[in-house]
Amino acid sequence: QVQLVQSGAEVKKPGASVKVSCKASGYTFTGHYMHWVRQAPGQGLEWMGWINPNSGDTKYGQKFQGRVTMTRDTSMTTVYMELSRLKSDDTAVYSCARQSYYGSGSYSYYFDYWGQGILVTVSS
Amino acid sequence: QSVLTQPPSVSGAPGQRVTISCTGRRSNIGAGYDVQWYQQLPGTPPKLLIYGNSNRPSGVPDRFSGSKSGTSASLAITGLQAEDEADYYCQSYDSSLSGVLFGGGTKLTVL
Repeated sequence: QVQLVQSGAEVKKPGASVKVSCKASGYTFTGHYMHWVRQAPGQGLEWMGWINPNSGDTKYGQKFQGRVTMTRDTSMTTVYMELSRLKSDDTAVYSCARQSYYGSGSYSYYFDYWGQGILVTVSS
Repeated sequence: QSVLTQPPSVSGAPGQRVTISCTGRRSNIGAGYDVQWYQQLPGTPPKLLIYGNSNRPSGVPDRFSGSKSGTSASLAITGLQAEDEADYYCQSYDSSLSGVLFGGGTKLTVL
């Protein structure tokens, strides 16, 4: 069965960086883009970007460009998301979400599997 | 404030019908990009409810339905049940932002 297992909670100081992981299993790792979505406490979902695990190509949300880096290790079937220059309002649960296509359009996809989420706390 | 606007909260009694709106712009829903809907129970990841505006994944009850018109989309839930109490999010793509968008979320309370 498809599983996305994320690393454990992190506590960081402002200005630091955090790198979180998402290990995929139960499907062909290189066959599905992986997205990262975050959710601040009591807030809504915020899309951060995607990575193509096959090519390593990435697309980042405008808000995060210059601060986020998504990478993958195909041998470990794991994707990583690193966020730098952390601020207190980066405190959130960070989740990976698998993309699956349902149509022929480039944007005809949904998120069918999600990781359990990682709480990243930024505090001095 | 999200580019996809949802009401912060809706409520209904068991057995009733409720709708949740998702209002976008010409750069997202109005441009023809599809809308997905997700249900999020407390402390759990979102679950796909509707994809491609009106399609239900297998396992999602037919009490849930989606529609889209112009720059807006709606999620309807009929025969409300206590277990439907959750947060609901719409999602689409925006060509101006060149990225995925989520609505701000709607908290459904079953009275």
